Amino acid sequence: SQKIEQNSEALNIQEGKTATLTCNYTNYSPAYLQWYRQDPGRGPVFLLLIRENEKEKRKERLKVTFDTTLKQSLFHITASQPADSATYLCAMNSGGYQKVTFGTGTKLQVIP
Amino acid sequence: EAGVAQSPRYKIIEKRQSVAFWCNPISGHATLYWYQQILGQGPKLLIQFQNNGVVDDSQLPKDRFSAERLKGVDSTLKIQPAKLEDSAVYLCASSPAGTGIYGYTFGSGTRLTVV
Repeated sequence: SQKIEQNSEALNIQEGKTATLTCNYTNYSPAYLQWYRQDPGRGPVFLLLIRENEKEKRKERLKVTFDTTLKQSLFHITASQPADSATYLCAMNSGGYQKVTFGTGTKLQVIP
Repeated sequence: EAGVAQSPRYKIIEKRQSVAFWCNPISGHATLYWYQQILGQGPKLLIQFQNNGVVDDSQLPKDRFSAERLKGVDSTLKIQPAKLEDSAVYLCASSPAGTGIYGYTFGSGTRLTVV
């Protein structure tokens, strides 16, 4: 069955460092992959989308890579700040009107 | 622009009771989604509407859950009768296109506790 895996353990990093979160998938051929941020008690907020034919996407301090051979996406936050502390979800879609499936999320804690 | 509005924010009911959630998507967004998010898990799609038609309801427990989107705008999700395992946050999201290439805009959700 299709599976999207994110590290369920929280990631703690020091302020100013680069945070790297991983999203792996199996039995899936995603047309594109999305990353969301979710704060406690709030709905997810869309951050970035990367297509299967794109290797890398950037937006300000955020960078996403997509390796269809490794079946993996990496999400980087450079110069991390305490305000970046949240749960980050990856989600993918096989294309067209296929439903978007979410991973379980990784909680990031940036320590001042 | 105004975001996705959901109500109520919180709801506590006893098992076997019924409950309804309401969602008003972003104006002009053709596609509306209802997701269920159990604590510690990612959102799980329950139903997807394109305008007022259902695109995907394969994971909706149809014996107890129902949803409608009248006139292709607001939507209501109902649970009747509720079970303990329905305790979760119910998220509504909308997007301009059903393919999701623009990402989804989520509401803040309704936290349901079934006791």
